[in-house]
This record gives sequence, structure tokens and C-alpha cells, in this order.
Amino acid sequence: NAGVIQTPRHKVTGKGQEATLWCEPISGHSAVFWYRQTIVQGLEFLTYFRNQAPIDDSGMPKERFSAQMPNQSHSTLKIQSTQPQDSAVYLCASSPTGTEVFFGKGTRLTVV
Amino acid sequence: QQKVQQSPESLSVPEGGMASLNCTSSDRNFQYFWWYRQHSGEGPKALMSIFSDGDKKEGRFTAHLNKASLHVSLHIRDSQPSDSALYFCAASSNSGTYQRFGTGTKLQVVP
Repeated sequence: NAGVIQTPRHKVTGKGQEATLWCEPISGHSAVFWYRQTIVQGLEFLTYFRNQAPIDDSGMPKERFSAQMPNQSHSTLKIQSTQPQDSAVYLCASSPTGTEVFFGKGTRLTVV
Repeated sequence: QQKVQQSPESLSVPEGGMASLNCTSSDRNFQYFWWYRQHSGEGPKALMSIFSDGDKKEGRFTAHLNKASLHVSLHIRDSQPSDSALYFCAASSNSGTYQRFGTGTKLQVVP
């Protein structure tokens, strides 16, 4: 069990460019979550899927962020027109039942 | 305003000492609690959950929950340098929804 796999581990984008972050959840886990971590805000919930269906995206900035889960083995978080304030560590997590959550190591996004 | 508040922001304890971390949920709908630990460069890892009033002990870690006040604490006895990490409290509304996290407590255990 390799755990939740996130790629890339680090990504640098120019202001205004698009960034796509990838997540491979633990096989068999039905729930997939995306969080954003900054020093100031801590861990902020973005969105989650259960059995590939979007359940709650109340934490997603509406205009430039989108998340998809096209199949049970991966999810993507896309940020269009990235801004410096989007710089953060983006964490993907999965859970078998929605109780204990298993996190990946995160993707550190830097917008320059 | 953060709906899950943690204190202190940082904490330094001597090796072998007791570390005490606090957490409060301001939303009565979010009353199932988890403690996570995050070492540098890693994602958070669950330490333990507590859903009922009272104490729950797992090894050197003891969590205490007061549901009336939605306050949960984590006590680490015989702290080790390897316990140095960022500790997060998380609250959820039931077993099937997302967890809200606090901003974390940075614990340093000094040899």
C-alpha cells in the first residue's frame, strides 16, 4: 500500500497560468478530499467526492478552481489563471468510510 | 473566524515531560473529533479519534472530550523528540462528511 499519491510534489507556475494537481487515492477508499494548507489559514477544506460523485465543494473558490474525479483511481484539482495567493500546499486525502482520513504528502504550489 | 480553534499556537516541553494541547469547535454540528500529527514534508496522519464524553487513551496519548463545551484536549506523556511536529485537531459532523481542521499547534520536544 503506497498510500495516497500526489503528483507533482512541487510545482511553480507563472501568474495567470493554469495548474493541474493529481491525486491517486488508496485503492478501495470511497471518499476523496482536497485540502489547502497555509501557515495563516491552516488546513482549509476545499471539496470532496464519494464514489466519484461530487458531494460538497463549499470550500472551493468558485471562479478559478475546479475538481474532478473521472474514475476511482484518480482525482484532479485544476486552478486557472493562478494568482500569488494560490501559493500553498494542496493535500489530497482518501477515506474508506469517511472516518479516518489518510493524507498524501501534498503538492507545494508556488505562483511567481 | 476559524470554526475549530486550537491553542497554544506553539509549545515547547522537555523530553520526558507532558504536552497538553487544546481544541474547541464553535459549531455544535461538528462534534466528532480527531487528532492528527504532521511532520515536516509529510501529510497529516491520524493519531486518534474521540466521539464520546470522557477520556480515551492510546499508549502515551490521552484525549479528553467535553461535549457540552465542544472542547477536546490531547495530552502526551513522556514526550519524545520524535513527537516534535505540527498537531491538528479536526471536527466532523458525522462519519460521512469532511473534517474541519484547526490551524494547528507546533510542538517542540527539547532533549
